[in-house]
This record gives sequence, C-alpha cells and structure tokens, in this order.
Amino acid sequence: QVQLVDTGGGVVQPGQSLRLSCAVSGLTFSNFGMHWIRQAPGRGLEWVATIWEDGSSEYYAASVRGRFRISRDNSKSTLFLEMNALRVEDTAVYYCATLAGGPSDYWGQGTLVGVSS
Amino acid sequence: EVVMTQSPGTLSVFPGETVTLSCRASQSVGSRLAWYQQKRGQAPRLLVYGTSARDVGVPARFSGSGSGTDFTLTISGLQSEDFAVYYCQQYEHWPPWTFGQGTKLEIK
Repeated sequence: QVQLVDTGGGVVQPGQSLRLSCAVSGLTFSNFGMHWIRQAPGRGLEWVATIWEDGSSEYYAASVRGRFRISRDNSKSTLFLEMNALRVEDTAVYYCATLAGGPSDYWGQGTLVGVSS
Repeated sequence: EVVMTQSPGTLSVFPGETVTLSCRASQSVGSRLAWYQQKRGQAPRLLVYGTSARDVGVPARFSGSGSGTDFTLTISGLQSEDFAVYYCQQYEHWPPWTFGQGTKLEIK
C-alpha cells in the first residue's frame, strides 16, 4: 500500500535550521507533484511549498519564501524540505502530501517542528 | 490569493442528525474544491474532490455540492466516527493552494 513517512522534525532555537524528509513507497513517485503542508498547534492547515514531478518548478508560501527550499530525489522516492532561519511562528506539524485533487491523494503522518528559545 | 471561509466554526450536534457545512471562496474556483476530514492526532483524509466526487472508501452519507464560490458538505445520519474537523480546499488558482479555517463537528 501507499506510504508517506515524514521524518526530521525536532526542537531548535530561532535562527537554526532543520531538514525534513518524506520517504514515499507504493506509488510511482516521479509521477506526482509533491507538497509540504503545515499545521500550527490548535490551528488549521497551511500550504508551505510545492515541487513539480520532475523538480522543474517550485512554489513557496510568502511566509517561508527565501528561507525554505523544497527538493526531491526521484531515484530514492524522497521529498525534502530544507528550513533555514527558523522562527517561533514556524512551529507546526509538517506533512508531506500528494494533494492530488482526486484519487491518489496521500499524506504523511506528519513530523513536529518546534522553534523555541 | 483565494481566501476560503468556512462556517460555522463549530457545530454541536447529536449522533444521527444531518448537518451541512459551508465553504465560500473569495473568487470562483469552478468545481475544483475538496473536503478533508481530520481527527485529533491524525493527518487529514480526503473525503470529496471535484466538489461532489467521493474518494475511495468514503461512505455515501458524505455528499458535496456547489460551484463557483459556494460549496457545502452534507453528512447524513452522523456516526460517532464523524466527529472531527472538516476543511475545504481549493485547487483552481495556485499558488497558493488554500484551505478554509475548518469547521469542528462536536457531539452535543
């Protein structure tokens, strides 16, 4: 079956960096655009970043543009989110997802990122 | 950016009742509207896409309707497992892909 496994979360201080990973199995990873979506404690869902199937295009939310970078390794069916200059307001559970807008919509279990001094 | 507004914020209902959740877009999104269900501590689960198509395995008591800017999700005969938070999401105009703020369905 399809599995998306999010890892790499943790607690860091403001200004520090983290790299999240999302290991995908059970589907042809290179056929899917991939997204990161986050959810701050007690809050709703916020789209963070998107990368095209072949990595040719990337899109970012205004709140993370210039600090976060999304990437992928299709040979390893893995999605990444490099997060730099982290802020307290970046504290959230981060989910990777296909966000397919139809069947083949899959989400990871989420990984918790905490930014605190 | 398309702003998605859901109402009400919280809905208290008895099991067995029928409820209607609303979602309004700040501009037309055609039929590119999805509904997600999220239970505490879990990732969101897709219920409905393309306004009215149920995802695989979603019970028939969930039905979506609408077009343009106004959409609804109706849940008929609420079951205990349906008490959760529901989000609408548009995928017509991107980036950004935008979600509503959620409607929490709680047991009365």
